[in-house]
Amino acid sequence: RKEVEQDPGPFNVPEGATVAFNCTYSNSASQSFFWYRQDCRKEPKLLMSVYSSGNEDGRFTAQLNRASQYISLLIRDSKLSDSATYLCVVNLANAGNMLTFGGGTRLMVKP
Amino acid sequence: GAGVSQSPSNKVTEKGKDVELRCDPISGHTALYWYRQSLGQGLEFLIYFQGNSAPDKSGLPSDRFSAERTGGSVSTLTIQRTQQEDSAVYLCASSSRVGGYEQYFGPGTRLTVT
Repeated sequence: RKEVEQDPGPFNVPEGATVAFNCTYSNSASQSFFWYRQDCRKEPKLLMSVYSSGNEDGRFTAQLNRASQYISLLIRDSKLSDSATYLCVVNLANAGNMLTFGGGTRLMVKP
Repeated sequence: GAGVSQSPSNKVTEKGKDVELRCDPISGHTALYWYRQSLGQGLEFLIYFQGNSAPDKSGLPSDRFSAERTGGSVSTLTIQRTQQEDSAVYLCASSSRVGGYEQYFGPGTRLTVT
């Protein structure tokens, strides 16, 4: 089993739709969680950290479910510019500063 | 402030030649990471430097790959006797222990081995 697993997609959604991605992680003692965004042929960029209580940044909402060991990202009112690959990232327990990256979920928002 | 920078942005080399890729981390960041990403694939961890500690080289795919970090800042990734399967984007990231584990990436070096 991979340490961080994501559905690779692609998720094809129309503009304005709400879309959600899930990610599961293997190590129950993991401490820190993030969503990164990677545009085609660009480097990954931090989208948002994921806090235990859940957090929201504009149209983006991140949730953490420690009991089930999954993280979610919800995007409301999708824009064409949201088209990208979304990477689920976990700081596994006992990994120091190391982050483990999921394979990414590709989102395509269509007009 | 300035982000992570990498050079060159693109490198084309002949099979068998050696290449050096450079990374300048964000000033003050103590941790530096190298990753590799082949077309359409996920990130592959290569090596990790944390302060003055011995680097974690567990991700290096062969002994043709090596990396140095001089003065706790700039890092160089060296690939000797390049092979076609080394063709990929090489990404560098840095992070600070203050405030969390977020990593910030440079734009990458696209390596093509012909």
